[in-house]
Amino acid sequence: GESVGLHLPTLSVQEGDNSIINCAYSNSASDYFIWYKQESGKGPQFIIDIRSNMDKRQGQRVTVLLNKTVKHLSLQIAATQPGDSAVYFCAETSGTYKYIFGTGTRLKVLA
Amino acid sequence: KAGVTQTPRYLIKTRGQQVTLSCSPISGHRSVSWYQQTPGQGLQFLFEYFSETQRNKGNFPGRFSGRQFSNSRSEMNVSTLELGDSALYLCASKPLAGKQETQYFGPGTRLLVL
Repeated sequence: GESVGLHLPTLSVQEGDNSIINCAYSNSASDYFIWYKQESGKGPQFIIDIRSNMDKRQGQRVTVLLNKTVKHLSLQIAATQPGDSAVYFCAETSGTYKYIFGTGTRLKVLA
Repeated sequence: KAGVTQTPRYLIKTRGQQVTLSCSPISGHRSVSWYQQTPGQGLQFLFEYFSETQRNKGNFPGRFSGRQFSNSRSEMNVSTLELGDSALYLCASKPLAGKQETQYFGPGTRLLVL
């Protein structure tokens, strides 16, 4: 398979704080990136996307930053809430076909 | 607009059996992709269908196959099941193939092979 499977890194954040989840992507030709959120027992849910001609994109409470020089993607969640607890995946594609997913990061929001 | 639906949601099979999973994409979406998700390997791409044709395939053995119907609904089949096939099988749809578009996932079918 193309996504590397390792134990899931965990980020624990206090409720109300900002969260930053990082992702290193593998293909320098990738030009479209998506962040997904997956809650227990559910399929991945789209959060935000960004194309390679941008370095920042903002949504509601979320911001995605793209650094093509070091092939790094990050997802910032403002004022983290208990409902944000989930596994977060980044996905990359070069636009032609397969989406390659990162291993995921588990976000735990502490009350 | 209804989301991606998958049936059944849960399935228990024994080794050697075969299984067929079904996926109905979002209305108007013509591309359907299948993924296998396991704790050890994460999300792995199986194949993508568009206009009833397989457009791309991941690195899975020939026991894994799929098809797409004229209404864009898709099925995947796994023959001669092995214990290692136990996983969450996810289907994702998007409007077209070969374009940079967001894919939307269904809830998945959890398959347990005993």
